[in-house]
Amino acid sequence: QTVVTQEPSFSVPPGGTVTVTCGLNSGSVSTYNYPSWYQQTPGQAPRTLIYSTNIRSSGVPDRFSGAILGNKAALSITGAQADDESDYYCVLYMGRGISVFGGGTKLTVL
Amino acid sequence: EVQLVQSGAEVKKPGESLKISCKASGYTFSSHWIGWVRQMPGKGLEWMGIIYPDDSDTRYSPSFQGQVTLSADKSINTAYLQWTSLKASDTAMYYCARHGSASTGLLDWGQGTLVTVSS
Repeated sequence: QTVVTQEPSFSVPPGGTVTVTCGLNSGSVSTYNYPSWYQQTPGQAPRTLIYSTNIRSSGVPDRFSGAILGNKAALSITGAQADDESDYYCVLYMGRGISVFGGGTKLTVL
Repeated sequence: EVQLVQSGAEVKKPGESLKISCKASGYTFSSHWIGWVRQMPGKGLEWMGIIYPDDSDTRYSPSFQGQVTLSADKSINTAYLQWTSLKASDTAMYYCARHGSASTGLLDWGQGTLVTVSS
């Protein structure tokens, strides 16, 4: 069974930089997994940040960027702000129309 | 502007059936996959499956295959998620979302529909 892995939690100081990763329990993540990233604050619908590895969704500031780092997908946030405190989820495309969410990373800004 | 407007909250009993909807506007509905995502209380997001409204091609996560049915009516730009026999464990928020393509992730989201199943 495919498991998409993320760090359960991260902490970053205001103004700092954080990189959240998204891996596979078996194998490496590549651009053919079309990694995408989503931000969700409590009580709200998710918001799309990045799709197809590194394309920012409309209106997303360039403080958010996506890439493949080593064998994982990565979401970097630079100049962290208080309202970046959210849950972050990745999705990987596994082929034949099937995608899988990671377990999510809870980001604290303090 | 792309908009996905979902139907309102539902309270059902175990064993009952349910169909929730997602009405799309602002883009060519039949040409984009629509996906459904579950979020159980206090838990993470789970990808359930997608449907291509033009020909109703569907792909289900193995975890949801046989548990739910996706459908779409392209004449009214609406996608549906359906259960024939609800369980208490189906209690969750359900989101619809537009895919760029089957592979490129979810681009636009509905506001969510809360489904509560309780005796």
